[in-house]
Amino acid sequence: DAAVTQKPRYLIKMKGQEAEMKCIPEKGHTAVFWYQQKQSKELKFLIYFQNQQPLDQIDMVKERFSAVCPSSSLCSLGIRTCEAEDSALYLCSSSRDWGYEQYFGPGTRLTVL
Amino acid sequence: GDQVEQSPSALSLHEGTDSALRCNFTTTMRSVQWFRQNSRGSLISLFYLASGTKENGRLKSAFDSKERRYSTLHIRDAQLEDSGTYFCAAVPNQGGSAKLIFGEGTKLTVSS
Repeated sequence: DAAVTQKPRYLIKMKGQEAEMKCIPEKGHTAVFWYQQKQSKELKFLIYFQNQQPLDQIDMVKERFSAVCPSSSLCSLGIRTCEAEDSALYLCSSSRDWGYEQYFGPGTRLTVL
Repeated sequence: GDQVEQSPSALSLHEGTDSALRCNFTTTMRSVQWFRQNSRGSLISLFYLASGTKENGRLKSAFDSKERRYSTLHIRDAQLEDSGTYFCAAVPNQGGSAKLIFGEGTKLTVSS
């Protein structure tokens, strides 16, 4: 099985604080994705990196999030100022190239109080 | 925008019975994946299809190769451990992004 790693598994922040979560993609994978899931509903796409470059992202990420892949073996997703609505499970996935099967990590569950 | 319509939203089965989940797409899709999410939130990939059908044990999935606008997941001889939430997700044919668009999920409960 693919082994995408995410840290931390759980994160608790107060409103207004900064949050950061990390993803280690499967070795050799060139595409990395972040998704947000609230209350076990459908996953919502946030941002996609190909060879460490952001190729697609939603407006919310541009406005309030910071996402980078400084190396092929580490990506991070940050929220500059947490809001209650950011409470969610954040899932990272990777695939060996554009359009291939995506493998998901266990997620970081963020709670904003 | 592009949408994935998944049905049913909830399903209750007795052990040993068969059933099917379906996803309709509002646009043609390049590929589809089916996942099962457990109670801890882990998302396990069951199938990845660019066309045709795949089978793995009691699970079988199909992706309409001609119009590329729907996919199904068949569960045969349902077992207690099949319980969980199933999601389909697909990559649109058009546009340069490889992002997955998810359905709303099917919550499956298998009882003895």
